[in-house]
Amino acid sequence: AQSVAQPEDQVNVAEGNPLTVKCTYSVSGNPYLFWYVQYPNRGLQFLLKYITGDNLVKGSYGFEAEFNKSQTSFHLKKPSALVSDSALYFCAVRDPLSYNTDKLIFGTGTRLQVFP
Amino acid sequence: NAGVTQTPKFQVLKTGQSMTLQCAQDMNHNSMYWYRQDPGMGLRLIYYSASEGTTDKGEVPNGYNVSRLNKREFSLRLESAAPSQTSVYFCASSEFGPQHFGDGTRLSIL
Repeated sequence: AQSVAQPEDQVNVAEGNPLTVKCTYSVSGNPYLFWYVQYPNRGLQFLLKYITGDNLVKGSYGFEAEFNKSQTSFHLKKPSALVSDSALYFCAVRDPLSYNTDKLIFGTGTRLQVFP
Repeated sequence: NAGVTQTPKFQVLKTGQSMTLQCAQDMNHNSMYWYRQDPGMGLRLIYYSASEGTTDKGEVPNGYNVSRLNKREFSLRLESAAPSQTSVYFCASSEFGPQHFGDGTRLSIL
């Protein structure tokens, strides 16, 4: 079965330190991977995606993600965390069985808390 | 540029009442989706519509119906609300790319 796992419910990091939010996936074929961010009382906002090409993908707000095919991972990273990065982060993979839509399979989310 | 608009933002229902959640997008997207978000469970797909005139069940369709009224609008109906349907509901749209989300409807069923 296709799935996405986010092994950490919460990640705590001090402002100015690098941050990593982990994601692993299990899908057939080549994965299309996404990261979204959700601020309180808001919908999900698209951060970045990997379709093909360079394994390091750059996105909004200084975030980047590294695709690792051998480890089936797509970890979200940022070199220097800000308090304003505190939010809920979702990893998602496009359902490979969805030929006519962009159906996504979401992970359960990781809450990022950045402390001043 | 409104993107995806959901109404209402909040609603409280009694068990057994019916309700329709509205969603409209102004990006000319063909695909639209309804999700529910519950603590610790991420987003679960209820129904989706690949294009105007088509709808398909997602992961958790029981207790819900949908209508793709036209290309812009995709509504979700609860015919007889149950406490287990207390959740935050999100609508999204896409056109062979990232999904764009509304800000949700917070629904409580007593």
